[in-house]
Amino acid sequence: TQLLEQSPQFLSIQEGENLTVYCNSSSVFSSLQWYRQEPGEGPVLLVTVVTGGEVKKLKRLTFQFGDARKDSSLHITAAQPGDTGLYLCAGLLLNAGNMLTFGGGTRLMVKP
Amino acid sequence: NAGVTQTPKFQVLKTGQSMTLQCAQDMNHEYMSWYRQDPGMGLRLIHYSVGAGITDQGEVPNGYNVSRSTTEDFPLRLLSAAPSQTSVYFCASSYVAGNTEAFFGQGTRLTVV
Repeated sequence: TQLLEQSPQFLSIQEGENLTVYCNSSSVFSSLQWYRQEPGEGPVLLVTVVTGGEVKKLKRLTFQFGDARKDSSLHITAAQPGDTGLYLCAGLLLNAGNMLTFGGGTRLMVKP
Repeated sequence: NAGVTQTPKFQVLKTGQSMTLQCAQDMNHEYMSWYRQDPGMGLRLIHYSVGAGITDQGEVPNGYNVSRSTTEDFPLRLLSAAPSQTSVYFCASSYVAGNTEAFFGQGTRLTVV
């Protein structure tokens, strides 16, 4: 059982559709990050959220940190084929040292 | 600007063999870590270091050793390879854990036969 549960695990949608990916835990995090990974590459940071209730926007991507800092969501508006990839959330547990732990990932495919 | 460099990119080992995966960063980052990535499992933390001379265990440390003699280098040693260690290994570095960007290497694909 992973500390951070991501859902859905797989998502296949048509270009132009909207989608939301969730990252949930029963633990409290001091910060939470979202990364995107392409095949054969390491993950690349999209955003970091640190305050409960925080919302950050990155073009068509909207990230939200839950009020209790136990969960986060990533919403993509009008998805494009270039959004295809593996989306990973990662969190730093509150008062638990320096272990940055990752969720299992959501594999997104956007078809033209 | 090299960033995080991992070597080798591919490796095949026989069960019982030992080897060292190399990781070097040129960004003067204090925090370095090793993850393994298996299909459908995301990234699992093996070991991490908050600075030279300091290492700690992550979620799945068994069968692996690390050391951090310099800020730049953080090698991962497989003591006696097992087929269960077949995976893709990623090294990452950042100024601190969690609140700053983690930069990842390109990964080492390891197969143990």
